[in-house]
Amino acid sequence: DAGVIQSPRHEVTEMGQEVTLRCKPISGHDYLFWYRQTMMRGLELLIYFNNNVPIDDSGMPEDRFSAKMPNASFSTLKIQPSEPRDSAVYFCASSFDGQGNTEAFFGQGTRLTVV
Amino acid sequence: AQSVTQPDIHITVSEGASLELRCNYSYGATPYLFWYVQSPGQGLQLLLKYFSGDTLVQGIKGFEAEFKRSQSSFNLRKPSVHWSDAAEYFCAVATLNTGGFKTIFGAGTRLFVKA
Repeated sequence: DAGVIQSPRHEVTEMGQEVTLRCKPISGHDYLFWYRQTMMRGLELLIYFNNNVPIDDSGMPEDRFSAKMPNASFSTLKIQPSEPRDSAVYFCASSFDGQGNTEAFFGQGTRLTVV
Repeated sequence: AQSVTQPDIHITVSEGASLELRCNYSYGATPYLFWYVQSPGQGLQLLLKYFSGDTLVQGIKGFEAEFKRSQSSFNLRKPSVHWSDAAEYFCAVATLNTGGFKTIFGAGTRLFVKA
């Protein structure tokens, strides 16, 4: 397996534009997580899914953020409209709910810059 | 609510010296514990994990960590640091919640290695 795949690797957009980040988890993994990393706030869990169902979205900062997982192999994180303070690195991770196998495997991240 | 604390924002050690990075967690039961490392511009890579059994776990790159239930700690150690170990280190906890496992991360400790 190629690991968790995120696209794009870098995104630069103007304030007010819609941004869509994409993630392909590792095949067979039950969980998918979206994290945001900034210098000020560190690594924050935004939302996670179990078997494509959103379980906890309490970390989503505002209604401008939304995430979907239409199937087991694809998830999106959308920001609409984007703002400069959304600039961060967004990581997607997946894990497998097997006995003793809950470590998260991370993608390379998407570096988002909103100008 | 579960939480993870890494009290040291950054640490500087000399190459060849020993290293200990601190991690404390808050959770009612025994959690699954992890240490990840992040090199600049990269995603997070798993160093080691603890689920049960022997409280001293060995990981990759010569790292080890010890789970101490009485102190709610899971400190990371390495007997001799190499310059290539300079990176940011994250302690993480996976806990069982309604709907499944949830992984949260500490704020991270940035390791600087001096010659």
